[in-house]
Amino acid sequence: DQQVKQNSPSLSVQEGRISILNCDYTNSMFDYFLWYKKYPAEGPTFLISISSIKDKNEDGRFTVFLNKSAKHLSLHIVPSQPGDSAVYFCAASEGTYKYIFGTGTRLKVLA
Amino acid sequence: DTGVSQDPRHKITKRGQNVTFRCDPISEHNRLYWYRQTLGQGPEFLTYFQNEAQLEKSRLLSDRFSAERPKGSFSTLEIQRTEQGDSAMYLCASSSDREQYFGPGTRLTVT
Repeated sequence: DQQVKQNSPSLSVQEGRISILNCDYTNSMFDYFLWYKKYPAEGPTFLISISSIKDKNEDGRFTVFLNKSAKHLSLHIVPSQPGDSAVYFCAASEGTYKYIFGTGTRLKVLA
Repeated sequence: DTGVSQDPRHKITKRGQNVTFRCDPISEHNRLYWYRQTLGQGPEFLTYFQNEAQLEKSRLLSDRFSAERPKGSFSTLEIQRTEQGDSAMYLCASSSDREQYFGPGTRLTVT
């Protein structure tokens, strides 16, 4: 069973526009969420986190929104840049340090 | 500022051979994690150390896999009698809190 789902395998966005990456989860006990960016042949790079006690966290061009009632989180990138082209993973944990990852969304930012 | 390092970056081995991977975490991080990632999937949790104590192991970690962190610093992951299904990217991460920082990974190919 997939507790963390990223239902869009890929997304294309024009440079300068907003990129919205979505993530759904099934376990209501998840209390901390992370987003990572991954380039080919590299490890995931941590981007931003959010605790379940918040509904928004912002860091520069990156904002994560959490909707606990819908068990949904999203990552907004504004403005999108060609260097943002990568695979993005969301991850969730339930009061421990073990994270469950989604399958990723490949973002392509078009110049 | 040194991040998480892993060695080797690539390993090709024949089925039935043993392999060992090393991970050096960020120096002030007391928690260390091993994950495995296969094509099209997100990282899957394998095991977790706090200092030198191995606190959790996934059922993915069969008895052919063993991990150690003898002095609470670097860690090794050994796979005995490798099988073709072990071919994957093995990722190490470290943390001092809920955010985990990944190394570049070791790509294992079993022929």
